[in-house]
This record gives sequence, structure tokens and C-alpha cells, in this order.
Amino acid sequence: QSVLTQPPSVSAAPGQKVTISCSGSSSNIGYNSVSWYQQVPGAAPKLLIYDNHKRPSGIPDRFSASKSGTSATLAITGLQTGDEADYYCETWDRSLSVVFGGGTRLTVL
Amino acid sequence: QLQLQESGPGLVKPSETLSLTCSVSGASITNIHYYGTWIRQPPGRGLEWIGSVSYSGSTYYNPSLKSRVTISLDTSKNQFSLKVNSVTAADTAMYYCASAAAILPIHYWGQGTLVTVPS
Repeated sequence: QSVLTQPPSVSAAPGQKVTISCSGSSSNIGYNSVSWYQQVPGAAPKLLIYDNHKRPSGIPDRFSASKSGTSATLAITGLQTGDEADYYCETWDRSLSVVFGGGTRLTVL
Repeated sequence: QLQLQESGPGLVKPSETLSLTCSVSGASITNIHYYGTWIRQPPGRGLEWIGSVSYSGSTYYNPSLKSRVTISLDTSKNQFSLKVNSVTAADTAMYYCASAAAILPIHYWGQGTLVTVPS
């Protein structure tokens, strides 16, 4: 059971928009900033978003994110088949640990 | 741009110690004041933070693993290492080393190495 809760799967058609939620508590998301990672099957995770909404260099603006209270949301617009991957949210918890969501598998139909 | 590479045995017997090393290239972790982090992923499951070591050698561990884990920094070799004691089949996972300017977010990842502990 992950500390942060994500839907197991989401799907949408190419070109469409999809959102992935990440729910936590006042001990984690409500207390610290959230990062998001993309993990293509067979590869290491890649940082997509940090500090709730910032994109590292090279990440297209089709990827955006926000945080409100104890929840965070990742949005992907203009879906492409190459976006099929697992997506994880992450933050610091007051238990003095990094915590991850359980991951969401994105399927581009 | 940092590059990280994990190395170590792919098979560890139950009750023994799992030992992995992460070799860093592209910059000196101590010079750029970066952290080294270990994360694992059991087959078909999500990510789990194991712990991190700072450029000065301070360590931070997942409370659920703290009693069995040691992470250390070798500044002369620009490497950091992971040891997990008394392993069981539950420790079977892909082990990633990673690095960044803080414990998180994690900007740089190794490709991962699969460690199997037979049941």
C-alpha cells in the first residue's frame, strides 16, 4: 500500500488530454513539493516535473502539473503513442522518508 | 551531465548481504555538492526509496529499511555504495542508483541492475 494514492490506469486517444491524480496527506503533499516521473517499460524513470509544476530542460510543455492542498495532478495534452508509460508522483514525508505513489499506467488507445 | 552505472552481483542468497556500487562520471559528486540515492523496484511493482547519502557523507534512510541498510560514499572513486543485510526473496528488485542536488527531485538515474534473491 503506497503512501500516495494514484489510479492504477488511465487511457485516452492520441491527441487527447489525460490527467493523473496523486492524493496524499498533510504529512506529505500538504507539507512539501511534488515531483512526477515517467517510466517507459524496460527503462529507468525520468524526471518530468519538480517543485509541483516546473519542467526540467527538454520536457515538452505538453506535460504540466499542479498541486492543491494534499493532492497533485499531472496533465498531458496532445497525447502521443510514445507517452505510453508508468507515471509516478513523489514527495517527502514527515516520517523522514521519500514516498512514491503506486504508479499509473497510461495507455494511448 | 552526470552518468551513473550500477554494478554488483545479480544473485544473492537468502540471509546474505546484498552489495551494490554506483559509479558516477561526468562530475565529482563532492565537488558539485550532489546527493547519491538508491531506489528499488520489485518486478511489476512501484518505486521504493531506500536511502540517500550527501556529498559530505550524511546518510538518510527509509525507516522501513533502516535496520538493514548502509549507504556510503567513496569520494576518491566518485562512487557510492549500498549494502542490505539479511536479504530475503522480498528484496528481489531492480535497484537504481540516482543523483541530484538534493535528496529529491531526482534528476539523474542509472539504468538499474536486477538483483534476485531466491526463495
